[in-house]
Amino acid sequence: EVQLVESGGGSVQTGRSLRVSCAASGFSFEDYAMYWVRQAPGKGLEWVSGISWSRRVLGYADSVKGRFTISRDNAKNSLYLQMSSLRTEDTALYYCARDIRRAGLTGTLDIWGQGTMVTVSS
Amino acid sequence: QSVLTQPPSVSGAPGQRVTISCTGNNSNIGAGYDVKWYQQVPGAAPKLLIHNNTNRPSGVPDRFSGSKSGTSASLAITGLLAEDEADYHCQSYDSSLSGFVFGSGTKVTVL
Repeated sequence: EVQLVESGGGSVQTGRSLRVSCAASGFSFEDYAMYWVRQAPGKGLEWVSGISWSRRVLGYADSVKGRFTISRDNAKNSLYLQMSSLRTEDTALYYCARDIRRAGLTGTLDIWGQGTMVTVSS
Repeated sequence: QSVLTQPPSVSGAPGQRVTISCTGNNSNIGAGYDVKWYQQVPGAAPKLLIHNNTNRPSGVPDRFSGSKSGTSASLAITGLLAEDEADYHCQSYDSSLSGFVFGSGTKVTVL
């Protein structure tokens, strides 16, 4: 079964750091671009970042640029998001998602995890 | 504020047709970047509904259809069912932001 499972969320104070992870299974992880998308409580979706199968970073949302770093370990079938200088507005459910096309960069997200909640408070 | 604008809510009776608009500009939809649509049932992760403006992944009923014209796109749901009650999000790429962008989301209510 194709599956993405996020972990590492939790409660943290403003200014601190946190790393969330996404474990992939059921498909050839190394062949797909991967993304992070977040959703603040009661709000819409926000694209955070993406990374190609060859670890080329596809960019960051302006709201997280300079503070968040996306990475992947193809040997561990894992995607990561290192978050630093966290702000209250970073409070959200963080989803990882897969690109629909093998070796593609379409931004079309066909497989999603269930998300991991990050709460930032002062 | 989202780069792509959607109505906050739309509603319809069972069996009716509803449409959801997604309005962008010449840096995203108007620049030719394709539009995707996702359905999100409360408490669940989003699910891909439409990609490449009009294409349905396997398993998505043909009651769902997408279209695009100029700087806007639309999602139509025909034969509305109670199970279609959900939030719907459009997505595209924005060249001025150098990243993907989502719409503000639309809640569909089945009366």
